[in-house]
Amino acid sequence: SQQGEEDPQALSIQEGENATMNCSYKTSINNLQWYRQNSGRGLVHLILIRSNEREKHSGRLRVTLDTSKKSSSLLITASRAADTASYFCATDIVQGAQKLVFGQGTRLTINP
Amino acid sequence: AAGVIQSPRHLIKEKRETATLKCYPIPRHDTVYWYQQGPGQDPQFLISFYEKMQSDKGSIPDRFSAQQFSDYHSELNMSSLELGDSALYFCASSPVLTGGELFFGEGSRLTVL
Repeated sequence: SQQGEEDPQALSIQEGENATMNCSYKTSINNLQWYRQNSGRGLVHLILIRSNEREKHSGRLRVTLDTSKKSSSLLITASRAADTASYFCATDIVQGAQKLVFGQGTRLTINP
Repeated sequence: AAGVIQSPRHLIKEKRETATLKCYPIPRHDTVYWYQQGPGQDPQFLISFYEKMQSDKGSIPDRFSAQQFSDYHSELNMSSLELGDSALYFCASSPVLTGGELFFGEGSRLTVL
């Protein structure tokens, strides 16, 4: 990927457990977004965190951003089988880019 | 609520043929993006348009071209298709030029035989 690397590439946990996915990026950003993709489907926006924010919550989602380390994490609490999907971080970079650059994604499997 | 509409959803072509994908953004969204996603890969930015003008260009092959029309729909034209062009092609729209979330369509799956 040109910008983001995600860790782990695949994660398998039991229903009810928490899932944490990490994303690192290379250049300065305006914001970082997380998207979810069910297999072969379109990407769905989950949450956006701006470069001047450190943490954001939305329902069972918690996102952190550390601009000094150029990294972000997505925590899904109390996971459900329906959370099974691929999760991508995407960065909106500073230098006049009018696009989002996606990381490689984490394939999350929630076992019932 | 209206979503991004892409057509066709599935397309099968032979090598060296031409394909055209269409995208109808959400009403009042004036920014359109095209992404290509190979099997097991992350979405790769191809090109974007704002107010019918190309606003940014990514890793789009010279064999591909795109435009946005007066009604804001966009078309991605792909010529001299190669096996490696087989992928999901996503269109996304946004109500802002930069810094906002993207609304994705369900994608067009192109298979080149």
